[in-house]
Amino acid sequence: GEDVEQSLFLSVREGDSSVINCTYTDSSSTYLYWYKQEPGAGLQLLTYIFSNMDMKQDQRLTVLLNKKDKHLSLRIADTQTGDSAIYFCAVKGNQGGKLIFGQGTELSVKP
Amino acid sequence: GAGVSQSPSNKVTEKGKDVELRCDPISGHTALYWYRQRLGQGLEFLIYFQGNSAPDKSGLPSDRFSAERTGESVSTLTIQRTQQEDSAVYLCASSLGSSGEQYFGPGTRLTVT
Repeated sequence: GEDVEQSLFLSVREGDSSVINCTYTDSSSTYLYWYKQEPGAGLQLLTYIFSNMDMKQDQRLTVLLNKKDKHLSLRIADTQTGDSAIYFCAVKGNQGGKLIFGQGTELSVKP
Repeated sequence: GAGVSQSPSNKVTEKGKDVELRCDPISGHTALYWYRQRLGQGLEFLIYFQGNSAPDKSGLPSDRFSAERTGESVSTLTIQRTQQEDSAVYLCASSLGSSGEQYFGPGTRLTVT
């Protein structure tokens, strides 16, 4: 079945850029998502990219998709302490609407 | 507008008891999903409802788990004869059709003692 992998931890300094990476196995994935989860809170949809795109920018967020390598990344510019959270990559295949999630990357932003 | 709501927010139950978890999707969203998140892990898909189609139950871990949805409204996830390994946060999401973005509720934290 589909597998989605992320590194577990990332630590950056405030003001630096953060890059969170994700790899997936299903080449038929249609939509790819990034969600943010803060402690004790639900999942917040940050952004998504359709599989026929290779880049999407939304304010401080840039999503890059390399379909050949099945690699997705989320870049956060000018990272702030409020960006500290767990970031989940999720992919949707072509069989219904279910999402397959990675394990999440815990981003720690140090002042 | 209201988001996805879930109740209860926390549930502590004894091993062997049955529990019911409720999800109220965003009004007008035809698709509804249940996921489970164990401590420190990503989300596991459980079940998916889309309109009047037969639900996709492929993620349910055992026959102790079942879910119902009435029309395009409330859904209930039932876990019978709970076990300690059922302890997790159960998250509900809804979307406008199966291709729409999924919006998540705050979850129900289930603890089986």
